[in-house]
Amino acid sequence: GENVEQHPSTLSVQEGDSAVIKCTYSDSASNYFPWYKQELGKRPQLIIDIRSNVGEKKDQRIAVTLNKTAKHFSLHITETQPEDSAVYFCAASEGGKLIFGQGTELSVKP
Amino acid sequence: GAVVSQHPSWVICKSGTSVKIECRSLDFQATTMFWYRQFPKQSLMLMATSNEGSKATYEQGVEKDKFLINHASLTLSTLTVTSAHPEDSSFYICSARSDSYPTDTQYFGPGTRLTVL
Repeated sequence: GENVEQHPSTLSVQEGDSAVIKCTYSDSASNYFPWYKQELGKRPQLIIDIRSNVGEKKDQRIAVTLNKTAKHFSLHITETQPEDSAVYFCAASEGGKLIFGQGTELSVKP
Repeated sequence: GAVVSQHPSWVICKSGTSVKIECRSLDFQATTMFWYRQFPKQSLMLMATSNEGSKATYEQGVEKDKFLINHASLTLSTLTVTSAHPEDSSFYICSARSDSYPTDTQYFGPGTRLTVL
């Protein structure tokens, strides 16, 4: 089955800096890769997603890149703000099921 | 659009009792619903996938007789934790997917925090 590895587990940046979170997946058949932001005790919120027929997608300060050959995808957040502090999860879709990475706790220091 | 609700938001029960958690899609028909469990500071672990009108498909290691899932309609799925024990204490989150929305996109409920004493 699918296996998703996510790094780093924690990331601390200064406000205004960029943050990058990386994920790798194992199943070449996976074709959908969402990123979720989860605040403590809350539901995961979809922030951006990408499908396997696209290499890059951007939404304001957030971008995701996908390298199908290497089977890895990354989340890029520019001009980070304190409200970006949360746990971020990547996921890969295997036959409609989402397999999640381990999560990255992002801390943005003012 | 694509709002998913869960009830209750939190529940405390005694060991040995059963607890039912409801997951509802409020403004769309959910052809598939998923149940996840999340322990503190850990990721979301898929427990089972349910399709309306059919038996749920459980992930490896998840006891189907302990975690009963019913997806009786296109807007409601329930998870019953039977004979709950303290190790079942966790954050249970459902998600829903519709054939009317982009495929694979899942919309999450707010979660239910279960504490078993």
